[in-house]
Amino acid sequence: GEDVEQSLFLSVREGDSSVINCTYTDSSSTYLYWYKQEPGAGLQLLTYIFSNMDMKQDQRLTVLLNKKDKHLSLRIADTQTGDSAIYFCAETLGGSGAGSYQLTFGKGTKLSVIP
Amino acid sequence: DAGVTQSPTHLIKTRGQQVTLRCSPISGHKSVSWYQQVLGQGPQFIFQYYEKEERGRGNFPDRFSARQFPNYSSELNVNALLLGDSALYLCASSNLKGGNYGYTFGSGTRLTVV
Repeated sequence: GEDVEQSLFLSVREGDSSVINCTYTDSSSTYLYWYKQEPGAGLQLLTYIFSNMDMKQDQRLTVLLNKKDKHLSLRIADTQTGDSAIYFCAETLGGSGAGSYQLTFGKGTKLSVIP
Repeated sequence: DAGVTQSPTHLIKTRGQQVTLRCSPISGHKSVSWYQQVLGQGPQFIFQYYEKEERGRGNFPDRFSARQFPNYSSELNVNALLLGDSALYLCASSNLKGGNYGYTFGSGTRLTVV
């Protein structure tokens, strides 16, 4: 079955880079996502990457994918106090068949930014 | 445009009672999914509906049911509430049958069972 694992906590100083890591299970075609959840709020989609890509960059966010190790990372450049939140890695299967509709989440990484 | 809206935002129920949670997707989105997020955990998939038909169901007991209406809004019903049903219930919508480009989530309904 599918399983997504993340480290639970990360603490960085304001202005430094944050790197949040995730491992996912073996799927032949997978979409991988990063969601952000602030206290008391729902989930905000930050970015996604298809498993045939190696990297995706969007402003301060860089997603790196190591398909061999099934390892996904999210790098946040110039981390700000407003980036403090829980970050969830999630996956779905590609296509429109069974599994493509179901997001499987990790337990989340709590990022604390120290001023 | 309004995002995904959920009601109510907070709810307190007694064990054994029944609850109905409501969700309105983004205009034009035909797919609605429901997730349960227990404190300290990632969201767990409950249901997905597309074009008013159930397309997927997670590992939840039959006490959980849902439906989607012709305007694509959705309700999640939970019968015979248990203390363990206390959680944040999230609704997500998508304009695709699958979730390949990511779902947009609502802010959730916080259910407390006492």
